[in-house]
Amino acid sequence: DAGITQSPRYKITETGRQVTLMCHQTWSHSYMFWYRQDLGHGLRLIYYSAAADITDKGEVPDGYVVSRSKTENFPLTLESATRSQTSVYFCATREGPTGELFFGEGSRLTVL
Amino acid sequence: GEDVEQSLFLSVREGDSSVINCTYTDSSSTYLYWYKQEPGAGLQLLTYIFSNMDMKQDQRLTVLLNKKDKHLSLRIADTQTGDSAIYFCAESMGTDKLIFGTGTRLQVFP
Repeated sequence: DAGITQSPRYKITETGRQVTLMCHQTWSHSYMFWYRQDLGHGLRLIYYSAAADITDKGEVPDGYVVSRSKTENFPLTLESATRSQTSVYFCATREGPTGELFFGEGSRLTVL
Repeated sequence: GEDVEQSLFLSVREGDSSVINCTYTDSSSTYLYWYKQEPGAGLQLLTYIFSNMDMKQDQRLTVLLNKKDKHLSLRIADTQTGDSAIYFCAESMGTDKLIFGTGTRLQVFP
């Protein structure tokens, strides 16, 4: 049972390119989240989704796009990557509106 | 997570107690959480406290909540080298978002 799978785990790209980070869950949890982790900032919420076809902005949504056509997938797209988007990105799920978050292993993105 | 504040570093001797502090912003937060992140991994839930509680104890972990001051603390008794990690507090914003703090890196030395 893989739980949450993020791909790719590591990605190097160039400024201006489009990048998509994938998140897949096997639990059918209704909530899914994308966070970025940066030194000195901790974890900051980018976008989240309460169910398929329902998404909402978090603290730092600018420059990112999400979609959720299926419950199990929640891709995060950087339409035109910038150096400031170099970070470690974590996907997380939660079964309901409260309770434990389950995290993926993270995707380390470097934008040159 | 700038709205949820933590000190960045804490260094303790093995066997001593560790106290990690957090201040949060939303007085209506229903739950407050502590997560642990080991190197190269995602976060895992350590413990949580419901907002109508002052204290929760779970083996070596004690959580104290001061709602008046919006202050949350995590005490780890008999700290071990395996406790070395980054610890995040988090508050529930409304009913579904979780906002994390900046994280405290705990280093345990022999």
